[in-house]
Amino acid sequence: DSGVTQTPKHLITATGQRVTLRCSPRSGDLSVYWYQQSLDQGLQFLIQYYNGEERAKGNILERFSAQQFPDLHSELNLSSLELGDSALYFCASSVAKVYTGELFFGEGSRLTVL
Amino acid sequence: AQTVTQSQPEMSVQEAETVTLSCTYDTSENNYYLFWYKQPPSRQMILVIRQEAYKQQNATENRFSVNFQKAAKSFSLKISDSQLGDTAMYFCAFMTPYGGSQGNLIFGKGTKLSVKP
Repeated sequence: DSGVTQTPKHLITATGQRVTLRCSPRSGDLSVYWYQQSLDQGLQFLIQYYNGEERAKGNILERFSAQQFPDLHSELNLSSLELGDSALYFCASSVAKVYTGELFFGEGSRLTVL
Repeated sequence: AQTVTQSQPEMSVQEAETVTLSCTYDTSENNYYLFWYKQPPSRQMILVIRQEAYKQQNATENRFSVNFQKAAKSFSLKISDSQLGDTAMYFCAFMTPYGGSQGNLIFGKGTKLSVKP
C-alpha cells in the first residue's frame, strides 16, 4: 500500500458528461501529480500541484482541470468527455516541490467513456 | 524534447533465469535521473530502481540491477533469478529536476514481462 488513495476505482460514463476524480496523497506529502495511462499514448504527465498551487503542466487538455485543496487532497475534473478520454488516471505524491526520488502512486481510477 | 524508448513490447523468461529489458533515452540535459517502475496486474506503479546520471556506478537493488551507459543514452534493467511475482509491465522513466521535463517523469511505452514456471 503506497498510502495514496484514489476514488473511484472504476467509472463508466457517457460522452459529453463530466466526472471528478479524487486523490488523497500520503500523509506529509505536499506534491500531487496526475498521470494518464492510455493504450495509444502510454503514460503521460498531466499536471502537478504543490501545497495548493499549480507547479507544472504537461499534456493536459483544456477540457480537464485540477485543483489541490487546503487539506492537500486533489481533484481532477474531466468535462465534455470523449471516447478517447477512456484511460487509467493515476495520482502520485511526493514530499517536495521538485523531487528526484520515488513517486508514490495510487491504484488509479479506470475511466470508461461510452 | 526528452524521449524514452523501450524497443521490446513483450518478453518472457523462465523462472530462476536472468532477463534484460532495454531502454534508451534522448536528452540534451546533463543533470537527470532514470527510473524503472513496475506495474503488476494490480495496476499500481512501484519503483524498482533509480539511477542518478552523475553517478558512474550502476544502481543495484537485490535481484535488480541496471547497466547505465551515459554516452550511449542507454539504461537497461537486469532481473536475476526471475520470480513469478516479477510478471508485470516495466516502464523506463526519465526526469530532469528543472527545465526539460519540469521535474516530472517521462515514461517509455513499457515492456510486458512474463515469468514462466
